[in-house]
Amino acid sequence: QVHLVQSGAEVKKPGASVKVSCKASGYSFTAYSMHWVRQAPGQGPEWMGRINPSNGGTRYAEKFLDRVTLTRDTSITTVYMELTNLKSDDTAVYYCARDGAPRWLQNWFDPWGQGTLVTVSS
Amino acid sequence: DTVLTQSPGTLSLSPGESATLSCRASQDVTNNYLAWYQQRPGQAPRLLMYAASTRATGISDKFSGSGSGTEFTLTISRLEPEDFGVYYCQQYVTSPLTFGGGTKVEMK
Repeated sequence: QVHLVQSGAEVKKPGASVKVSCKASGYSFTAYSMHWVRQAPGQGPEWMGRINPSNGGTRYAEKFLDRVTLTRDTSITTVYMELTNLKSDDTAVYYCARDGAPRWLQNWFDPWGQGTLVTVSS
Repeated sequence: DTVLTQSPGTLSLSPGESATLSCRASQDVTNNYLAWYQQRPGQAPRLLMYAASTRATGISDKFSGSGSGTEFTLTISRLEPEDFGVYYCQQYVTSPLTFGGGTKVEMK
């Protein structure tokens, strides 16, 4: 069974950085791209970017280009999302979500991790 | 960016009734590259449908998707308590990938 298990909740001050992990199991880790999606309180989801765990290639939404970095560690089947220069409106639940099919990018998401709440507050 | 507008914002229905949810795109969603997700309170979204009308693995046939171009519909028949929640559409034609604002299906 496919599982995506994310790291725990974080509280950060404005200007700080956060790094969230997502450990994958139950499938071939390098065969599927992994996406990151965030959801602010009461809002719809927002796509941030994706990483190809096979070669580390990334694609970011323009909005986050200068602040987000996606990486992976294939030895422990884990992907990471780091967001820098945090602002109060970065307060959201951050999800990793596997791409829909192996090897041929689909850009829909199944399944999702359980989510990590990141709170930015002074 | 492709903007997705979902309507209505809230649907108040009783168990056993059917729900019809709409998703309108600001530009053509070619190849029907549109997905639907269900989100129950406190949970992550769950994929229901991709390519506008293809049910995801394990999804009941009470869920059906239709549409093309800029107008898409998700229909849920015979509502059960576990079907109440928020539903989102998502397009995957253009980058950035975008979601609608959601339709909340609540119990009347």
